[in-house]
Parts: sequence; C-alpha cells; structure tokens
Amino acid sequence: DAGVTQSPTHLIKTRGQQVTLRCSPKSGHDTVSWYQQALGQGPQFIFQYYEEEERQRGNFPDRFSGHQFPNYSSELNVNALLLGDSALYLCASSKGDTRRTYNEQFFGPGTRLTVL
Amino acid sequence: GEDVEQSLFLSVREGDSSVINCTYTDSSSTYLYWYKQEPGAGLQLLTYIFSNMDMKQDQRLTVLLNKKDKHLSLRIADTQTGDSAIYFCAETPLYNFNKFYFGSGTKLNVKP
Repeated sequence: DAGVTQSPTHLIKTRGQQVTLRCSPKSGHDTVSWYQQALGQGPQFIFQYYEEEERQRGNFPDRFSGHQFPNYSSELNVNALLLGDSALYLCASSKGDTRRTYNEQFFGPGTRLTVL
Repeated sequence: GEDVEQSLFLSVREGDSSVINCTYTDSSSTYLYWYKQEPGAGLQLLTYIFSNMDMKQDQRLTVLLNKKDKHLSLRIADTQTGDSAIYFCAETPLYNFNKFYFGSGTKLNVKP
C-alpha cells in the first residue's frame, strides 16, 4: 500500500499564474481533504471532497478550487497566485463521510509551492 | 472560532522525559490529537484522545487531558534523538469531524 501520494513534490510559480496539485488517496479511502501549511504554522483546512463533491470548506477564497475523480483522486487548483500562497500543501485521505464519525486521516508528504 | 495554541520550542537531553503542552478554546471538541512532522514528511498521527477521557497511554507516550482548563499534554518517556521533530496538537469539534484545527507546532530538539 503506497499510502497517500502527492505530486509534484516541489513547484515554483510566479504571481498571477495558476497551479494544479494532485493527490491519490490511500487504498480503500474515498474522502480527500486539503490543507495549507505556511512556514512555521500548523495546517489550515482548505476543503474536503467526498463522493466527488466539495463537502466542507475552510476560510479560503474562491481562487482555491478542487475536484475529485471517480477513482477518488483529487486535484487542488489555485488561480491568480499571490506571494502569500507559498506554502506546503497537504492532502489527507480517510474512509467514509467524516462529518459525524471519526475516521483516521492519513496525510501525504505534501507539495511545496513557492510563488515568486 | 477554534483556537489551538502551543509553545514553539522544547529542548531536552536524550533519555529525559519531554512534555509538550497545548491549550484549545472550543468546548465542543470531541477528539484531540497529537501529530508528528519530520522534515520533508507529512503528518504522522501519534495518538488521540476522546474528550471524555482524562488520560491515554501508548508505550512511551502519555496524553493527559484537563477538560476544565482545556489543556492537553503529550509526555514522551525516555526521549530519543529520533523523536526530534515538530509536534502538532489538533482538535475536531463535535459538530464536524471533517475539520481539523491545528496548533502552530512545538519543535522538539533532543540533544545527545
């Protein structure tokens, strides 16, 4: 079992560009959550996808959008990049609708995004 | 809103016990967690405690929860150099297990 995988590992973009990050969940998992971890900070919840729909969203602008595919993998898209979007983007997967029931989330290694 | 706070740094000698502290504000928190993050790696769940428990022990790890003071601690016995990492406290509220609220992390440095 490969666990949660993310690609790419590192990415450098310039202000105003758009970026797409990818995540494959752990085998058997169908729920994917995305987090932004700025340097020296804890992860901040961006949104969660379950059954190909965005179920929950944190305090992030509409520039942040996502998608979940039928195979449960997910993409995070960020438009009109700002310098402040530089961060480690973490993907976490779990099984089932986690709004009411605890199911452990497994985190991927993250994608380091640098915006110049 | 939910707020989770931790001290930034802790330095101990190998073999000593480490105690990492965390405070949270959400009284509806259900689960509280400790995660470990090593350089270049994602978050690894170390342990978690349900909010109706006072203590949980798992090998070298002991979690203490003071629900009245909204204080959570993680004690690592016989700390090893391999324990050097950033430790995050996190909580999920009663109304939504989807959302994890993390503290800023405590960097543990273990000196040989």
